[in-house]
Amino acid sequence: EAGVTQSPTHLIKTRGQQATLRCSPISGHTSVYWYQQALGLGLQFLLWYDEGEERNRGNFPPRFSGRQFPNYSSELNVNALELEDSALYLCASSLGTSAYNEQFFGPGTRLTVL
Amino acid sequence: GESVGLHLPTLSVQEGDNSIINCAYSNSASDYFIWYKQESGKGPQFIIDIRSNMDKRQGQRVTVLLNKTVKHLSLQIAATQPGDSAVYFCAESKIQGAQKLVFGQGTRLTINP
Repeated sequence: EAGVTQSPTHLIKTRGQQATLRCSPISGHTSVYWYQQALGLGLQFLLWYDEGEERNRGNFPPRFSGRQFPNYSSELNVNALELEDSALYLCASSLGTSAYNEQFFGPGTRLTVL
Repeated sequence: GESVGLHLPTLSVQEGDNSIINCAYSNSASDYFIWYKQESGKGPQFIIDIRSNMDKRQGQRVTVLLNKTVKHLSLQIAATQPGDSAVYFCAESKIQGAQKLVFGQGTRLTINP
């Protein structure tokens, strides 16, 4: 069974630009989660999508947004990039909406803002 | 606000020894806790979880202990192996509603040969 996949692996942008990160969940999983992992820090919850709807959002500014497509894949968009947005962005998927459903993580997209 | 923290950022143990990684959480409403392992260049991998109605749960070479009185969580790894070298994160969640995981900072575990 294929795991969670993310693209691109690395992304380099300059300040003020926009970044788009993509995630494909495990087949059959309907929930997708996005986390930010800045260097030396733990994972910070960004967004949770399930069945195409945004279910919850972390303490991030509105320039962090996303969506989930009918095939359950997801995009994370970051507008007006700032230097501190440089981080590893991790996507996870789970079977359903119960907290007991294990979240499976992808390898992440390393975003560097210059 | 909510926070989940770790007492020790780094831990080194000899191969074959047991290791204990600790975690403190502050949200008494959390009722579900998970330990993740993250190897270099990879996403976090689920190790073991525990619900708040339990105080101990065992897996293969791993045991999680939960002390709700002092809001403390620990991960014990028995007979450590080189492959156990990684960063370990604890995370907390609530069964009802939010679904988000609140992660601790992480502890880097190094297994010395």
